[in-house]
Amino acid sequence: AQSVTQPDIHITVSEGASLELRCNYSYGATPYLFWYVQSPGQGLQLLLKYFSGDTLVQGIKGFEAEFKRSQSSFNLRKPSVHWSDAAEYFCAVGAGEYGNKLVFGAGTILRVKS
Amino acid sequence: ETGVTQSPTHLIKTRGQQVTLRCSSQSGHNTVSWYQQALGQGPQFIFQYYREEENGRGNFPPRFSGLQFPNYSSELNVNALELDDSALYLCASSFVAGDYNEQFFGPGTRLTVL
Repeated sequence: AQSVTQPDIHITVSEGASLELRCNYSYGATPYLFWYVQSPGQGLQLLLKYFSGDTLVQGIKGFEAEFKRSQSSFNLRKPSVHWSDAAEYFCAVGAGEYGNKLVFGAGTILRVKS
Repeated sequence: ETGVTQSPTHLIKTRGQQVTLRCSSQSGHNTVSWYQQALGQGPQFIFQYYREEENGRGNFPPRFSGLQFPNYSSELNVNALELDDSALYLCASSFVAGDYNEQFFGPGTRLTVL
């Protein structure tokens, strides 16, 4: 069965510092991989996705993620964090024929210090 | 193009009661998925409807049921509510036509079972 592990429950970074959120997945085939962000009272917003091809994918809001098959990882990065990035971030793997039955990790809460 | 909306925003029910949550998909979307997000956890896939037929189900009992209507609206029904059903319920819609298409999430309905 598919599963996603996000080892860090909380992360605090200073504004302007770099960020890396970790994600490990378990999936038998080539996975559809996603990162979503959830702000309080908001639904989930897609930051980026990986299906195939270039293992470094660019997303919205200056985020990027790198797919590493050998490590079963799909870590999210941002070179310089802004206070508005404070939110909860979810990594997900897409199951089903079109990858649209999502299996989410438990999430990482990002706090940004000014 | 309107976004995905859900109603009500909040709901309080008593154990043993029944509840209906509603979702209005984006116009033209033929697929809707429902997720349960318990406090401090990532969303869990409940089921998906494609063209008004159930198209996959997660590890949820039969008292969780759904409907999808031709007018892009859908319902999640939960019978015999239990305390553990307290959660944020998210719906997500997409247009599936032989390949992946992005899912758009609604803001959720917060259900509290007392």
